[in-house]
Amino acid sequence: GAGVSQTPSNKVTEKGKYVELRCDPISGHTALYWYRQSLGQGPEFLIYFQGTGAADDSGLPNDRFFAVRPEGSVSTLKIQRTERGDSAVYLCASSPGQGISGANVLTFGAGSRLTVL
Amino acid sequence: AQSVSQHNHHVILSEAASLELGCNYSYGGTVNLFWYVQYPGQHLQLLLKYFSGDPLVKGIKGFEAEFIKSKFSFNLRKPSVQWSDTAEYFCAFSFSGGYNKLIFGAGTRLAVHP
Repeated sequence: GAGVSQTPSNKVTEKGKYVELRCDPISGHTALYWYRQSLGQGPEFLIYFQGTGAADDSGLPNDRFFAVRPEGSVSTLKIQRTERGDSAVYLCASSPGQGISGANVLTFGAGSRLTVL
Repeated sequence: AQSVSQHNHHVILSEAASLELGCNYSYGGTVNLFWYVQYPGQHLQLLLKYFSGDPLVKGIKGFEAEFIKSKFSFNLRKPSVQWSDTAEYFCAFSFSGGYNKLIFGAGTRLAVHP
């Protein structure tokens, strides 16, 4: 597609529920990233995919968070047993890949706003 | 740990005023530097980037930034702001050994009054 598409744009759920957030990257982009942006903060790295594999998941806060990208395109961020502290905007970004020098420019989607009541 | 400090959380200017937003990063090695902008109701967009070469980089809409390695700084400037520059501005960097991760500052919210 022309840009990075994220669904849903808004999700309200109750504490303890399971949530899935979807990201459709720019066509042909091999690298995909998830970030989380809490109120008044900048985006915080969660996980990075190169192709189908999670190359770096060091930003996932705990084992309630999991992400997949089974065919190397669309990715799903999954949050189990949601907590009020999980409320944030979840941003997805993609890039063509990583250059030798790391010259890597990310294109972000509009985000999925998650509210946990 | 690597981090970015943006000195001003809120800036209010009148149109035609000059702008400088401060950004300092904490990392001793090679970095790539970015400024992203988020206009009201829109998603994050790249304003400008520095990878190597000339430390003075020019971006879209008349913005520029200067990388001063000795000060670990990458300040954003614009000589004359417009009402349409009202937005939130984020400084970010990636670093050798972690180019996959962009480390963002907390952002500076700029309001430009006509």
